[in-house]
Amino acid sequence: AQTVTQSQPEMSVQEAETVTLSCTYDTSESDYYLFWYKQPPSRQMILVIRQEAYKQQNATENRFSVNFQKAAKSFSLKISDSQLGDAAMYFCAYRSAVNAGNMLTFGGGTRLMVKP
Amino acid sequence: DTGVSQDPRHKITKRGQNVTFRCDPISEHNRLYWYRQTLGQGPEFLTYFQNEAQLEKSRLLSDRFSAERPKGSFSTLEIQRTEQGDSAMYLCASSLAFSPYEQYFGPGTRLTVT
Repeated sequence: AQTVTQSQPEMSVQEAETVTLSCTYDTSESDYYLFWYKQPPSRQMILVIRQEAYKQQNATENRFSVNFQKAAKSFSLKISDSQLGDAAMYFCAYRSAVNAGNMLTFGGGTRLMVKP
Repeated sequence: DTGVSQDPRHKITKRGQNVTFRCDPISEHNRLYWYRQTLGQGPEFLTYFQNEAQLEKSRLLSDRFSAERPKGSFSTLEIQRTEQGDSAMYLCASSLAFSPYEQYFGPGTRLTVT
């Protein structure tokens, strides 16, 4: 079974600065997807960024980028130019590319606080 | 399309009562997933449907939990004889049944069992 670990329960960043959230995972599969989801307080979870395991290039979406290290099974999220609206719970998630159900396995989350 | 919707948003019930939650997926999505999220934790997968077929239900937490998707559109999750440990957020997500299988989440139903 796959597991996802987020070792930082809380992180804090000053507005306009950069922060990196860590995620490690364990799997015996070679083909999979990794995700970062954002869950603002009392609001629904939204997808921030996706990485396909077969791609060596790190995914980027505007101010959000990842550092995907397949051999190390590490998948960190970098948020540049942090904004107050980035404050939320961030969840790292794994999805098999071969399992028929394609269900998501989530880490425990990191609460990001943004200081003005 | 306004996305995935869930009803009710909040439910308070007494221990031993039955509760039912509804999820309406994005209209063209034929996969529907249920997850449970306890306070301070990440969501935990419960079950999923492709159209009306429930293809994975071994992760349902006990035989008190059941789910249906009778016409391949909306789905219901029922918990019978609720216990205090059932208090959690119940999330629904939907996706297309082909790559990239992107899951879109609803706002969740928060259940409190007193």
